[in-house]
Amino acid sequence: GDSVTQMEGPVTLSEEAFLTINCTYTATGYPSLFWYVQYPGEGLQLLLKATKADDKGSNKGFEATYRKETTSFHLEKGSVQVSDSAVYFCALSEEIQGAQKLVFGQGTRLTINP
Amino acid sequence: EAGVTQFPSHSVIEKGQTVTLRCDPISGHDNLYWYRRVMGKEIKFLLHFVKESKQDESGMPNNRFLAERTGGTYSTLKVQPAELEDSGVYFCASSRWDLRTGELFFGEGSRLTVL
Repeated sequence: GDSVTQMEGPVTLSEEAFLTINCTYTATGYPSLFWYVQYPGEGLQLLLKATKADDKGSNKGFEATYRKETTSFHLEKGSVQVSDSAVYFCALSEEIQGAQKLVFGQGTRLTINP
Repeated sequence: EAGVTQFPSHSVIEKGQTVTLRCDPISGHDNLYWYRRVMGKEIKFLLHFVKESKQDESGMPNNRFLAERTGGTYSTLKVQPAELEDSGVYFCASSRWDLRTGELFFGEGSRLTVL
């Protein structure tokens, strides 16, 4: 089946630092790609998504570009804030015989220090 | 609009006991999913309901797990009897549309600890 691999954490940065969280995937079809974020004490929330190759998803200063040639969807932010501390999950949508589901990576815990 | 709610938030039981987790999806969302995250690893799919029907239960680990969604509203996930490896966080999610066009909304999760 399809799978997602993201860089292992935890990642600790200082405020205003540049962030990259790597994500690569394997898929037989043409999935949509997602980043979800889980803030402390909350459920997962959709951060951004891209539905086809070369699409760029963006939200709250975060960006990720769907790279089919490298099967990647790396998450980036130019200047992180303390409030960005959370667990980030890369995911793809898999469809088999009409049934859809999300396939997640293992998550990357990000801590931003002031 | 209320979000996806899950109950209990945390359950501690002994091996061999039974636990039932409940999920109330967002009103009007026909799609309901159960996922599980074990030991900080990836979030794994368990099953998918469309209304009251099981669309896909390929992720259910074994027959100790039983999911229901009577009437197509809330859903329950029962683990009977629980084993140590069942410990983890169980997430419920719901959506109105399919994943190509819609967003999946998650609950905060139910943490299960089996001793």
